[in-house]
Amino acid sequence: KAGVTQTPRYLIKTRGQQVTLSCSPISGHRSVSWYQQTPGQGLQFLFEYFSETQRNKGNFPGRFSGRQFSNSRSEMNVSTLELGDSALYLCASSLEQAGGSDTQYFGPGTRLTVL
Amino acid sequence: GNSVTQMEGPVTLSEEAFLTINCTYTATGYPSLFWYVQYPGEGLQLLLKATKADDKGSNKGFEATYRKETTSFHLEKGSVQVSDSAVYFCAFNTNAGKSTFGDGTTLTVKP
Repeated sequence: KAGVTQTPRYLIKTRGQQVTLSCSPISGHRSVSWYQQTPGQGLQFLFEYFSETQRNKGNFPGRFSGRQFSNSRSEMNVSTLELGDSALYLCASSLEQAGGSDTQYFGPGTRLTVL
Repeated sequence: GNSVTQMEGPVTLSEEAFLTINCTYTATGYPSLFWYVQYPGEGLQLLLKATKADDKGSNKGFEATYRKETTSFHLEKGSVQVSDSAVYFCAFNTNAGKSTFGDGTTLTVKP
């Protein structure tokens, strides 16, 4: 089975712009979660989608949003980019739900740099 | 609230040394516990997991035991190799469907 794929792998944007990141989960996985990883804050949970519905949300401002399509592919969008949004954005998929005993399978991440 | 506290790094060991990375958690209910590993330039991958008290997860020589009484899930390996150099994350899932990760511990193993 193919793993979780994320596109693009690297992105450079300027302050005030918006960006859309894409994640394709492992075939058959219905839950997709997004995380922000930075050296200072570690791994922070953004949100989780299951069957096209946002089921859980972390403590991020409304500039961060996401969606999931009927084929379980997910996108996350960040509007009005700030310098502090520079980070590695990781997507993870799991079979049933991100909670419980299901293992999360991570993609390689999208490295976003905001100038 | 929910949280994971990991031993601060970085940790530097010589090859064949014994490794312990401490992890304690604060959570409601009975979470499932995980150790993930991140190699340079890659995403996280599951190393091992335990889903109930006293379960022992093991993989590639690494072990961790779910200790409910001390809310801990310490990672151990008897003899580390250079290829074990990576960042290790302790994490748990609750029934609420949200995962909480520790800050990560960077391990460097020198030949």
